[in-house]
Amino acid sequence: GAVVSQHPSRVICKSGTSVKIECRSLDFQATTMFWYRQFPKQSLMLMATSNEGSKATYEQGVEKDKFLINHASLTLSTLTVTSAHPEDSSFYICSASETRQVHQPQHFGDGTRLSIL
Amino acid sequence: KNQVEQSPQSLIILEGKNCTLQCNYTVSPFSNLRWYKQDTGRGPVSLTIMTFSENTKSNGRYTATLDADTKQSSLHITASQLSDSASYICVVSANAGNMLTFGGGTRLMVKP
Repeated sequence: GAVVSQHPSRVICKSGTSVKIECRSLDFQATTMFWYRQFPKQSLMLMATSNEGSKATYEQGVEKDKFLINHASLTLSTLTVTSAHPEDSSFYICSASETRQVHQPQHFGDGTRLSIL
Repeated sequence: KNQVEQSPQSLIILEGKNCTLQCNYTVSPFSNLRWYKQDTGRGPVSLTIMTFSENTKSNGRYTATLDADTKQSSLHITASQLSDSASYICVVSANAGNMLTFGGGTRLMVKP
């Protein structure tokens, strides 16, 4: 089945550090990938939609200069949390759908636990 | 405003028992409804996906139902196992599939 790989799985770093998270579709092409944030005991909140070869679309309230998204190929999207602060600590999850497939499940990565000290 | 409401928020059952989780939605135009299982600290994994014309779909011990008229769905888990302990998330998509609205999830705990 379709697999989405997310790396790293966990990051602990000091305040002010920039952190890059990678999301790869391993066995399918994904024109569009999605980035979510999840706080404890809450559901996923969409942050942005990442489009291959073009600028990402950010949800209201999400700072595009804070959360930089690059989708340089059909199998890779990256999210960079710039100058991270403790309030950025969260569980970040990416997902992807196979290109041009409508009634297909989004395949999720296993998430990245980000802890900012 | 598109919304997905799940109930109960949390549930504790004994191993071997059955349970049913509920999902009500107000999403338009409806494209499909998905149930995901999310283990703690992991990404969600798809269990079922149903379109407008489908009333029921099974995946092993998981059976999902959909009533598009009343905009309700349920996920029935049969003969629960300890490994079923997880959050179950109902996700409804609109506009040909990629605009997703997430429910708040039901946290299920199966005890021996």
